[in-house]
Amino acid sequence: EAGVAQSPRYKIIEKRQSVAFWCNPISGHATLYWYQQILGQGPKLLIQFQNNGVVDDSQLPKDRFSAERLKGVDSTLKIQPAKLEDSAVYLCASSTYKGGAYEQYFGPGTRLTVT
Amino acid sequence: SQQGEEDPQALSIQEGENATMNCSYKTSINNLQWYRQNSGRGLVHLILIRSNEREKHSGRLRVTLDTSKKSSSLLITASRAADTASYFCATDTGRRALTFGSGTRLQVQP
Repeated sequence: EAGVAQSPRYKIIEKRQSVAFWCNPISGHATLYWYQQILGQGPKLLIQFQNNGVVDDSQLPKDRFSAERLKGVDSTLKIQPAKLEDSAVYLCASSTYKGGAYEQYFGPGTRLTVT
Repeated sequence: SQQGEEDPQALSIQEGENATMNCSYKTSINNLQWYRQNSGRGLVHLILIRSNEREKHSGRLRVTLDTSKKSSSLLITASRAADTASYFCATDTGRRALTFGSGTRLQVQP
């Protein structure tokens, strides 16, 4: 089966500019996640969708970050305006219930550099 | 906040040796998962162990879980240069989303 797709793979922007990332989860996976991974750290959850509804966005900086999942499939994550500290890899994942647990499948990530 | 903390932060071994990484966490969990991340790439799921399990094997991987100590270990036997990567433990507390530790960077010297 096809994996989680993300684009772009790399993005360089200046601070105060805006940027958008796109994610296409594995077909049939109802749950979609966006994680932020700062260099040298583990991924941190930004937002979790169940179909097209938000389950958890408690760690999303809502003054500058927004995300949507129209029609419960593809998702976009936007940052406006970007700050230097937003430089990170943004990982999208989707999950399915397998063997009594939710197993997550990750995309390759988008590496964002804010200058 | 990060739930898990891996130890050591970095590990360098020779090919053929075993590598052991430890993970500690803070709250009750449904399961604990280990992931591998090669430089510049996404995360690959390695193994999942449920809270009622104590040990699990998958190929050259052996994972243990001690819920009384809130800790887990990942053992990679007969390591290979291709095992060079960062390894993360991640906990599922029932929210489905995972809480990751800070990772162990493993370097296997040929």
